Amino acid sequence: AQSVTQLGSHVSVSEGALVLLRCNYSSSVPPYLFWYVQYPNQGLQLLLKYTTGATLVKGINGFEAEFKKSETSFHLTKPSAHMSDAAEYFCAVSENGGYNKLIFGAGTRLAVHP
Amino acid sequence: SQTIHQWPATLVQPVGSPLSLECTVEGTSNPNLYWYRQAAGRGLQLLFYSVGIGQISSEVPQNLSASRPQDRQFILSSKKLLLSDSGFYLCAWRAGQSSGNTIYFGEGSWLTVV
Repeated sequence: AQSVTQLGSHVSVSEGALVLLRCNYSSSVPPYLFWYVQYPNQGLQLLLKYTTGATLVKGINGFEAEFKKSETSFHLTKPSAHMSDAAEYFCAVSENGGYNKLIFGAGTRLAVHP
Repeated sequence: SQTIHQWPATLVQPVGSPLSLECTVEGTSNPNLYWYRQAAGRGLQLLFYSVGIGQISSEVPQNLSASRPQDRQFILSSKKLLLSDSGFYLCAWRAGQSSGNTIYFGEGSWLTVV
């Protein structure tokens, strides 16, 4: 069965510092991988996704993530944090199947302080 | 372009009362549709998914039910709400394979059962 583990329910960084949010997955078949962001009281917005091809994927707002099959990881990074990046981030995995349901991690709340 | 609408955005219901949350998708046909729940401080849990009209699959046993009376309409219901049904409910739809099977979310509905 698929599962997603996000290490660290809360991450705090200074404005301008590197953002690193960790995600590990388990899947019996090559996965599709996603990062979503949720701002307070809003739905989820897609940041980026990996399906096939290049393992380093770039998303919106300066975020990127690298698919590492050997490590079963899909960590999210941003070189320089901005105050507006404060939100909750969810990693998700989907198998290439008939209904493609997403399995989510528990989420990581990112705080950015001046 | 495709859009997803979900309503009501917020509701407060007494224990034992019925529930109906509605979701519609525009700009696509025969989408896969999903209901997720996000309980306070927890990740997202898939409740139901549907691959077509009248076809509903339940992921977890619960006090809720779902229906799909039309191709682009997905309804989440309950006959008698429990306190534990409180949470943030998200409707979602899946884009086709040409879009990387991405799942897009509505803005969510806050349900408080009192």
